[in-house]
Amino acid sequence: GENVEQHPSTLSVQEGDSAVIKCTYSDSASNYFPWYKQELGKGPQLIIDIRSNVGEKKDQRIAVTLNKTAKHFSLHITETQPEDSAVYFCAATSGTYKYIFGTGTRLKVLA
Amino acid sequence: DAGVIQSPRHEVTEMGQEVTLRCKPISGHDYLFWYRQTMMRGLELLIYFNNNVPIDDSGMPEDRFSAKMPNASFSTLKIQPSEPRDSAVYFCASRSQGPTEAFFGQGTRLTVV
Repeated sequence: GENVEQHPSTLSVQEGDSAVIKCTYSDSASNYFPWYKQELGKGPQLIIDIRSNVGEKKDQRIAVTLNKTAKHFSLHITETQPEDSAVYFCAATSGTYKYIFGTGTRLKVLA
Repeated sequence: DAGVIQSPRHEVTEMGQEVTLRCKPISGHDYLFWYRQTMMRGLELLIYFNNNVPIDDSGMPEDRFSAKMPNASFSTLKIQPSEPRDSAVYFCASRSQGPTEAFFGQGTRLTVV
């Protein structure tokens, strides 16, 4: 079945440094790749997404890259701030419209 | 819109009892998803509906779990009988047609003792 792997499971960075989280997916029909941020006690919230016809997308300090050939995509956060500390999830979906989530990355930004 | 609304936010129940979790999706959304989140297994998709019809329930762990969507504005996830291993945070999410953002509720933290 469909599978999404996410690495690393935990990531600590100094404030101002960059953070990179990587995901791979198994279903070559996947065509939409959202990234969610989950803060303590809350539901996941979308922070950025990318579709299969695009290789890169940027929104201020956040960027996502997609390599369809290798079936992997990555989240890049630059100039990290303490409020970026949270759990981040990648997901993939295709025509079945069900999201398959990665296992999550706990990001800690150290002041 | 107030977003996806789940109730209750917290539920503590004794093993063997029936538990019902509730969800009100965002108005106009065609898809509704139920997820379970645990430390060990992350976010697991349990079941999803399209236009109130269950499409894929392959993630429902056992017959003890059931879900319904009687109309476009309401869904329930029921566990009967509940067991301690069902303790988790259960999320409901909804989205509109096509590959697009799914909006999550705040979740229900279920503890079965």
